[in-house]
Amino acid sequence: EAGVAQSPRYKIIEKRQSVAFWCNPISGHATLYWYQQILGQGPKLLIQFQNNGVVDDSQLPKDRFSAERLKGVDSTLKIQPAKLEDSAVYLCASSFRVPNIAKNIQYFGAGTRLSVL
Amino acid sequence: AQSVTQLGSHVSVSEGALVLLRCNYSSSVPPYLFWYVQYPNQGLQLLLKYTTGATLVKGINGFEAEFKKSETSFHLTKPSAHMSDAAEYFCAVSGTGNQFYFGTGTSLTVIP
Repeated sequence: EAGVAQSPRYKIIEKRQSVAFWCNPISGHATLYWYQQILGQGPKLLIQFQNNGVVDDSQLPKDRFSAERLKGVDSTLKIQPAKLEDSAVYLCASSFRVPNIAKNIQYFGAGTRLSVL
Repeated sequence: AQSVTQLGSHVSVSEGALVLLRCNYSSSVPPYLFWYVQYPNQGLQLLLKYTTGATLVKGINGFEAEFKKSETSFHLTKPSAHMSDAAEYFCAVSGTGNQFYFGTGTSLTVIP
């Protein structure tokens, strides 16, 4: 089966610019996650969707980050405006419909590496 | 609240030697524990997980981990390292909520 697809793989922008990342989860996976992985750190959950609804966005910096999953399939994560500290790898993951994150196997995409100059 | 601490950001072993990667957790509720592996320029892949039941958990690629509640540990082991095991390894913990916490990772180098 096809895995989690993310694009672009790499993005370089200047601070205060906007950027968007796209994720296509594994077919049939109702739950989708966005993580931020800063160099030298483990991934940090930003937001979790169940179909097109938000389950948890408690760690999403809502003043500059936004995410949507309008049709319950693809998702887009946006940063506007970007700051230097947003430089990181943004990982998308998906799993089956059970919303409890601990009871699911999450499948990860390869990530988008963002550099903010 | 839950958290994990991975002891040793870098571990080097000789090919064929025992691999031991350490993970200690903190949780106010019975934890769910995970080990993930990340190869360069790739996403994370689940190695194994502990939820309930048997405390010795076997995963893919010959890895296993033992949940020790008294020591709040979930160390990852493999009897004999292979060159293909070189990667970044992450321990993670979750409780009854949806939060999922990763450690800072351990980079494993296998020396031929």
